[in-house]
Amino acid sequence: QVQLVQSGTEVKKPGASVKVSCTASGYTFTSYEIIWVRQAPGQGLVWMGWVTTANGNTKCSQEFQGRLTFTTDTSANTAYMELSSLRPEDTAVYYCARNGGGLHFWGQGTLVTVSS
Amino acid sequence: QSALTQPRSVSGSPGQSVTISCTGTSSDIGGYDFVSWYQQHPGKAPKVMIYDVNKRPSGVPDRFSGSKSGNTGSLTISGLQAEDEAEYYCCSYAGSNTLVFGGGTKLTVL
Repeated sequence: QVQLVQSGTEVKKPGASVKVSCTASGYTFTSYEIIWVRQAPGQGLVWMGWVTTANGNTKCSQEFQGRLTFTTDTSANTAYMELSSLRPEDTAVYYCARNGGGLHFWGQGTLVTVSS
Repeated sequence: QSALTQPRSVSGSPGQSVTISCTGTSSDIGGYDFVSWYQQHPGKAPKVMIYDVNKRPSGVPDRFSGSKSGNTGSLTISGLQAEDEAEYYCCSYAGSNTLVFGGGTKLTVL
């Protein structure tokens, strides 16, 4: 069965970077894009961007321009999201999801807390 | 791009029907037939309920249906059940390889 498993909880200080992984199984990794979405505490879902796993092309929301990087390791069926220059308002649960006519499969979410 | 507009909350009694609206623009909802809806229970990851405006994934009850008119998408839940109580989010393709979500709607089953 299709599964997306994300890395664990992170606690970071302002100004640091965080890298979250999303490891896929149960399907051909390079056949579907991976989307990244974040959800601040008590808030709604926000699209961050996506990576085309077949060729590494990426698209980032303008909201995160310059701070956000998506990468993949196709040998490990893993996508990564790295957010730099962290601020307290980046505290959120970060989700990866598989794109394919809607987001049918989601990771369990990774809580990133930014606090001094 | 701006978030799609959803009502903050809706409610209904068991067995009733409710409709959640999602208003965008001609650059997102109105321009593409790529509206999807997600159900999220507290502490859980979202779950797709409707995609491509009105398609239902296998396993989703046929009590859930989607539609679109102009710049507004809608999710209708008929025969409300207690387990339908959750937050619901719409999402649309917005051109230039971007997506946009709505702000979310809290559904309360009375």
